[in-house]
Amino acid sequence: NAGVTQTPKFQVLKTGQSMTLQCAQDMNHEYMSWYRQDPGMGLRLIHYSVGAGITDQGEVPNGYNVSRSTTEDFPLRLLSAAPSQTSVYFCASSYSKNSPLHFGNGTRLTVT
Amino acid sequence: AQTVTQSQPEMSVQEAETVTLSCTYDTSESNYYLFWYKQPPSRQMILVIRQEAYKQQNATENRFSVNFQKAAKSFSLKISDSQLGDTAMYFCAFRSGGSNYKLTFGKGTLLTVNP
Repeated sequence: NAGVTQTPKFQVLKTGQSMTLQCAQDMNHEYMSWYRQDPGMGLRLIHYSVGAGITDQGEVPNGYNVSRSTTEDFPLRLLSAAPSQTSVYFCASSYSKNSPLHFGNGTRLTVT
Repeated sequence: AQTVTQSQPEMSVQEAETVTLSCTYDTSESNYYLFWYKQPPSRQMILVIRQEAYKQQNATENRFSVNFQKAAKSFSLKISDSQLGDTAMYFCAFRSGGSNYKLTFGKGTLLTVNP
């Protein structure tokens, strides 16, 4: 029972580099989302998806791109990394609106 | 847009004692869902308890209970018989009851349980 799997766990990037954070869930959840966590800021929503082929912006979408080609996968792309994107990133999914979110274990990203 | 406020950035409690973490939220909706999540040093996000706004009864999960005051838009978490393993960051979160799946989090309260 894998749940929500995020890779990698840690990543260091140089300013301007691009990369993709991977997220996969095996619970057949329609809703998936990406959050970033910064000290003193809580968790802020970056992008979310309510099903394959459907994505929308959250609170802090700038500099990030997502796609949802399958129910299972929801990758987050950093187009041109900036030091302001240094953060811990969480992927989360849920079955329905009144179901709690299931979180991945997070990715700590450092941009130098 | 909904907002969630946790007014206590840090709290501490002695082992075996009771502590209450505060959370208030702002919404014009009548149907919504509220959650408390725990984040220990391992960074994992763990659901502690949830409350559906249309239910009058306060949710309880073992040593964890909530005081849900809908009119006051307050959703506090009470931890009884605190244990060292309760040391963690606690986040309050709000989700609309409409078609919007988005979960809005407060900034968190760091709880330290002292031996």
